[in-house]
Amino acid sequence: DGGITQSPKYLFRKEGQNVTLSCEQNLNHDAMYWYRQDPGQGLRLIYYSQIVNDFQKGDIAEGYSVSREKKESFPLTVTSAQKNPTAFYLCASSTTRDPLHFGNGTRLTVT
Amino acid sequence: GQSLEQPSEVTAVEGAIVQINCTYQTSGFYGLSWYQQHDGGAPTFLSYNALDGLEETGRFSSFLSRSDSYGYLLLQELQMKDSASYFCATGAGSYQLTFGKGTKLSVIP
Repeated sequence: DGGITQSPKYLFRKEGQNVTLSCEQNLNHDAMYWYRQDPGQGLRLIYYSQIVNDFQKGDIAEGYSVSREKKESFPLTVTSAQKNPTAFYLCASSTTRDPLHFGNGTRLTVT
Repeated sequence: GQSLEQPSEVTAVEGAIVQINCTYQTSGFYGLSWYQQHDGGAPTFLSYNALDGLEETGRFSSFLSRSDSYGYLLLQELQMKDSASYFCATGAGSYQLTFGKGTKLSVIP
């Protein structure tokens, strides 16, 4: 079955450490996205990529970095520069003009 | 920029009908989408309106009025499994969707 896989489901890190969240899709979608969700909040766009080797900042890119070396993969690094990294992170993919397909998310806790 | 307003919580009785409203302000408009998210889960796509009017998909319908910058999601014959958060979303293009803060729907017996 096609889908989006995010791993791990739960992630714990100490403050000051960088951490990378994995996102893999086998839907053959060109576009991939990272969203952040905080309690009682909507989804806020961190980064998106329309094609391999290209990506664009979303609304809240500060403190995050991404890469898109393969069509299937779009990892997100949460750096120590991100002031409030504890959140639920959702990866999504789509074809042009189609709805977003989301992964099951990674819940990151930084203490 | 984009901003969307929707009620934070709605409670309805099993078997009833509920309407979740969404008003938006946008610098460009790429239709209005609706997503459902159960607690701790992945959002899933429900409906999309590019033009004015009503779109129906089973028990769910979605309406759009571009002149009023307004839309709603209508859920009929409510079931307990419909308890979830519902998000409206729009954007100036397909790659930069902005989501509302979500409406938490509680269905009670």
